[in-house]
Amino acid sequence: AQSVTQPDIHITVSEGASLELRCNYSYGATPYLFWYVQSPGQGLQLLLKYFSGDTLVQGIKGFEAEFKRSQSSFNLRKPSVHWSDAAEYFCAVVGESNYQLIWGAGTKLIIKP
Amino acid sequence: DGGITQSPKYLFRKEGQNVTLSCEQNLNHDAMYWYRQDPGQGLRLIYYSQIVNDFQKGDIAEGYSVSREKKESFPLTVTSAQKNPTAFYLCASSRGTGSEKLFFGSGTQLSVL
Repeated sequence: AQSVTQPDIHITVSEGASLELRCNYSYGATPYLFWYVQSPGQGLQLLLKYFSGDTLVQGIKGFEAEFKRSQSSFNLRKPSVHWSDAAEYFCAVVGESNYQLIWGAGTKLIIKP
Repeated sequence: DGGITQSPKYLFRKEGQNVTLSCEQNLNHDAMYWYRQDPGQGLRLIYYSQIVNDFQKGDIAEGYSVSREKKESFPLTVTSAQKNPTAFYLCASSRGTGSEKLFFGSGTQLSVL
């Protein structure tokens, strides 16, 4: 069965430090992959998506993600985090059966001043 | 401004009561979705609709019902058959399904009295 795994429930980084959030997926074909961000008590906003082509994808708010087929990964990165980046981040893949998104459990990002 | 409006923000349900969550969009999107979010879990799909007067069950449809009489509206009813309804409910829409970007409302927190 298809699945998305975000191994880290919480990550704490200092403001100004670099960030990498991990996402691993299981999927038979070339996946459609997404990263969304959720502020507390709010809906989700799309950060970036990968469908094909260049494996390094640029998104909004200075985020980028790299698709690595050999590792079944789609990790999210940012060179320097800001306090406003504190939120929960969700990785998702489009399912093969009904074309609906399959979501990871999310990673909560905490920023230390 | 175009977007998705969910109401109410907070809702309380008594035992044996049905409650309805509202979701309205003015983005002219064909597809609409209802997700349930529980702490520490990813989003789980309840129902989705790709076109007016048609909808499909998602992964956790039991105890829920929907209607899609208008393109703009996709209300969710949490019935008394849903024994554990306390959760954060998110409505979303997209131009199409699968690879299309989802636009989310700001959610409804449902609690049981």
